[in-house]
Formats: sequence, C-alpha cells, structure tokens
Amino acid sequence: DVKVTQSSRYLVKRTGEKVFLECVQDMDHENMFWYRQDPGLGLRLIYFSYDVKMKEKGDIPEGYSVSREKKERFSLILESASTNQTSMYLCASSPDRNTNEKLFFGSGTQLSVL
Amino acid sequence: AQKITQTQPGMFVQEKEAVTLDCTYDTSDPSYGLFWYKQPSSGEMIFLIYQGSYDQQNATEGRYSLNFQKARKSANLVISASQLGDSAMYFCAMRRDNFNKFYFGSGTKLNVKP
Repeated sequence: DVKVTQSSRYLVKRTGEKVFLECVQDMDHENMFWYRQDPGLGLRLIYFSYDVKMKEKGDIPEGYSVSREKKERFSLILESASTNQTSMYLCASSPDRNTNEKLFFGSGTQLSVL
Repeated sequence: AQKITQTQPGMFVQEKEAVTLDCTYDTSDPSYGLFWYKQPSSGEMIFLIYQGSYDQQNATEGRYSLNFQKARKSANLVISASQLGDSAMYFCAMRRDNFNKFYFGSGTKLNVKP
C-alpha cells in the first residue's frame, strides 16, 4: 500500500516563525500536493509538484513556498507564519496525470499559529 | 474555471437507511474523473469511489454507488444501509484528463443516528 507520511500531527508555532511541514511518500509517485483544509471551504490547493525541483502554484500560494529536492519528499514552508495560516494541512501524492489515478493522502498536520 | 459544489453542509440519516450526498461540477473538458473521499474525525482521507466521464455504467463499491448524470453534471454519492461508522465528512473531487490538479468541494458532514 502507498504510504504518505507527514512529519507532525500537531504543531504549535509563534507568529513570525519559519515553519517547515514535511511529507514523504514511498511509492515513487510523480506528483505531490499540499492542500489546506478549513471548515466550510473544503480543500484548497497551495502548491503541487510534478517532478523533482518542479513546482506549480495552486489556488492559494501566497505566504507559502515549497521544496522538492528528492522525488519522495515534498516540503511546505511558511516563511513567516501568521495567525491566518492556522489550519489543517494535508499532503497527497498521485502516480501520473491519468484521470483515474486517485490521490493518496497523509494523515494531516494541524498547525496552530499563536 | 473548474468548480465542485456540494450544497449540503450537514446531513442526518437514520442507521440502516440510504442517503444521497449531492455533488455538481462544472467543466468544459470532455474527459475527466470524479472521486469521493471520506474523512472521519481522525482526519485521514479515505478514497471511496471513482467515476470516469466516459464510463457508461454508474460506479459501485460495496455499499457506495455513484449516481452519475453527465448532462446535469452531477455525481451524487449514494450510501446504502447506513452504519454508525459512516459518520464523517465527505468530499467530492474532480480531475481533468492530463492535468495534475484535483478540485474539491466544500464537503458534507454526515451524521448517522442510531
């Protein structure tokens, strides 16, 4: 089975801190994604990557950056955390671009910025 | 722009009854895939069912079926014989052919009453 692992389940940070959220997948998937989940808004795409060192902005990239130095690892970076970035962050991966290929999700990181 | 709409923020169903969760989508692409995910209170996203835009038959997976009406652009999830463990958030998602991005609805919170 595919495993997508997010490094932390809960994280508490201070405003202005630099925050790293790490995600690792073990099935050699091409695509990796970072989503943010907020009540009533569903899942919103922050960034995704379709290859090592390749990335594309999603719908809400402001305040975030990403890094994919190795195929299995995709990091989300909050350069200067703000309280409005308090949210659940979900990492996901998928094999390729075929429409029938589903997303495999990590268990999520609940980030609180105080 | 692609859009997924789930108009039911919350629903109640009696145990052992069937329930339909609504999902409509908007795309001009002829080829796309539709997905449903379940998110229990634990936060993990569980893939339930997939329907391709060219599939002639409605998808079924155990107690889950997808009522796909292409002309109406709707992809409703039907859960038969509801169980207490079905209480969760349910998300509808769409992926266009040859695109990496998945688009999610805002979700429906289902509560199954004993």
